[in-house]
Amino acid sequence: GNSVTQMEGPVTLSEEAFLTINCTYTATGYPSLFWYVQYPGEGLQLLLKATKADDKGSNKGFEATYRKETTSFHLEKGSVQVSDSAVYFCAQSNFGNEKLTFGTGTRLTIIP
Amino acid sequence: ETGVTQTPRHLVMGMTNKKSLKCEQHLGHNAMYWYKQSAKKPLELMFVYNFKEQTENNSVPSRFSPECPNSSHLFLHLHTLQPEDSALYLCASAVGGIDNEQFFGPGTRLTVL
Repeated sequence: GNSVTQMEGPVTLSEEAFLTINCTYTATGYPSLFWYVQYPGEGLQLLLKATKADDKGSNKGFEATYRKETTSFHLEKGSVQVSDSAVYFCAQSNFGNEKLTFGTGTRLTIIP
Repeated sequence: ETGVTQTPRHLVMGMTNKKSLKCEQHLGHNAMYWYKQSAKKPLELMFVYNFKEQTENNSVPSRFSPECPNSSHLFLHLHTLQPEDSALYLCASAVGGIDNEQFFGPGTRLTVL
């Protein structure tokens, strides 16, 4: 079945550090891939997405590239800020499938 | 403004109470979802509605009863809950079909005493 595996947290970084949160997937067919972010006390918000191989999603300085050969969609940011502290979820969905499959989430804390 | 609202934001109930959670979306979407988010557990999909028809029930206990009277509204009726049902309940909506991007509400924090 379809699944998403993302790196275990929590992750703690200093402000302006480089961030990578790994995400890999297993799927039949060619899924769309998503990163969602959940700030404290809030629901999930879409951060970025990619719908086909080699697409790069980007938003708010975050980027992720859809890598079909490695079945990965790693999240990166060059210089993190305290306001980036949140829980990040990787997710996938298949064409014509109304459901998203989520990873377990990675808690990120940025210290000044 | 996410376009998906949930009420109440916080709810405390006893195990013998009956309460309902409400979700409303103002995005013109056709699919709506209920998720349960517990501490230290993955996000759990509970129910999916597509064009007001339930298309997924993810082995959810019958003490949770969903209702979707129209494409804009989704309810979760609760009765005789257990303390382990305490969690954040999230509602989401999506256009449906080939566009699977889901838009989430802020959630209802439920505590069962």
